[in-house]
Amino acid sequence: GEDVEQSLFLSVREGDSSVINCTYTDSSSTYLYWYKQEPGAGLQLLTYIFSNMDMKQDQRLTVLLNKKDKHLSLRIADTQTGDSAIYFCAEINTGGFKTIFGAGTRLFVKA
Amino acid sequence: EAQVTQNPRYLITVTGKKLTVTCSQNMNHEYMSWYRQDPGLGLRQIYYSMNVEVTDKGDVPEGYKVSRKEKRNFPLILESPSPNQTSLYFCASSPDYPPDTQYFGPGTRLTVL
Repeated sequence: GEDVEQSLFLSVREGDSSVINCTYTDSSSTYLYWYKQEPGAGLQLLTYIFSNMDMKQDQRLTVLLNKKDKHLSLRIADTQTGDSAIYFCAEINTGGFKTIFGAGTRLFVKA
Repeated sequence: EAQVTQNPRYLITVTGKKLTVTCSQNMNHEYMSWYRQDPGLGLRQIYYSMNVEVTDKGDVPEGYKVSRKEKRNFPLILESPSPNQTSLYFCASSPDYPPDTQYFGPGTRLTVL
């Protein structure tokens, strides 16, 4: 079945760039998402990318999609302590209405 | 204020005692969904609904039921809860499909003893 994988932890220094990676198995994925979850809160959509795009930039966020390798990344420029959270990669495929989430990457930002 | 609400926010219950977690959205969204979040597993979709009276199974539907009699409400029903259903549950809604965004509720932390 479909699967989305992420590394569980990432630690960066304040001001550096963070790169969170995600791989997925379903080649029919249409939408790929990045969500942010702060402690004790629900999920907040950060950005999404259509499968026919390679890159999307939104202020400090850059999403890169490599369809051949089924690899998605989220780059956060000038990472701040307020960016500390869990980041989830998710996908939806054309065949169904299901959303598949990765396990989440916990980002630690050191001052 | 546009929002997704869930009740209760916290619940401790015992094995076998039927319970319902309510979810309501005030944005007239057609698509609603339930997820459970477990450490190391991320979010897994339990059920989703594309409109009134239209529901379908997600990845982990066993032990759960849902109904969508009105557009705004999408309750999650555990007929006979078991300890392996101890989890953090999120309801979400979206105005369209595929969703270019999903609005998440605050979560319900359920403990089944």
